[in-house]
Amino acid sequence: EPEVTQTPSHQVTQMGQEVILRCVPISNHLYFYWYRQILGQKVEFLVSFYNNEISEKSEIFDDQFSVERPDGSNFTLKIRSTKLEDSAMYFCASSDRANEKLFFGSGTQLSVL
Amino acid sequence: SQKIEQNSEALNIQEGKTATLTCNYTNYSPAYLQWYRQDPGRGPVFLLLIRENEKEKRKERLKVTFDTTLKQSLFHITASQPADSATYLCALGVRNAGNMLTFGGGTRLMVKP
Repeated sequence: EPEVTQTPSHQVTQMGQEVILRCVPISNHLYFYWYRQILGQKVEFLVSFYNNEISEKSEIFDDQFSVERPDGSNFTLKIRSTKLEDSAMYFCASSDRANEKLFFGSGTQLSVL
Repeated sequence: SQKIEQNSEALNIQEGKTATLTCNYTNYSPAYLQWYRQDPGRGPVFLLLIRENEKEKRKERLKVTFDTTLKQSLFHITASQPADSATYLCALGVRNAGNMLTFGGGTRLMVKP
């Protein structure tokens, strides 16, 4: 069964450093998403991406965050200058249609020290 | 303010019994509601989707109901098994929101043999 792949599974970085989290969505999907989950808390929406542009973003997704689909297969989340509070599990997801089920990856655990 | 509430206390049931999980929401007009399963350290896995004009959906041992008057969804697992032990998340989707899902905090289900 096709799946969403995320790399790395764990990332440790120093505060103020830039990180790039990588995702390979399911190949025929058109809608891409990033969510995050701080330990013990809810899964929170960050951004949705369709047709090479952001379609919706949350208040969390400020100027320090950006997304890119650099080629036909990868979808990345960049955090420009990480803060301690960015420590969380980051999930990439994709779907083939709007308002349908999402397929989530296994996540990247980001630890900012 | 908008809220999605799931019972934060763990639900403990005996194998073979029916588990019923509740999702209540306020100040939302969801176009659809989804249920996901999440195992520790993993991404959510889609289970069922129900739309605002649907009352009930079934899939194998799973059943979900959606009452837009009560602003509540119930999720049932019949003939529960220890392998059903996980955290179950409800998520709301609204129209014209870029496919953004808003998640509840989840309910942890423990099925004892």
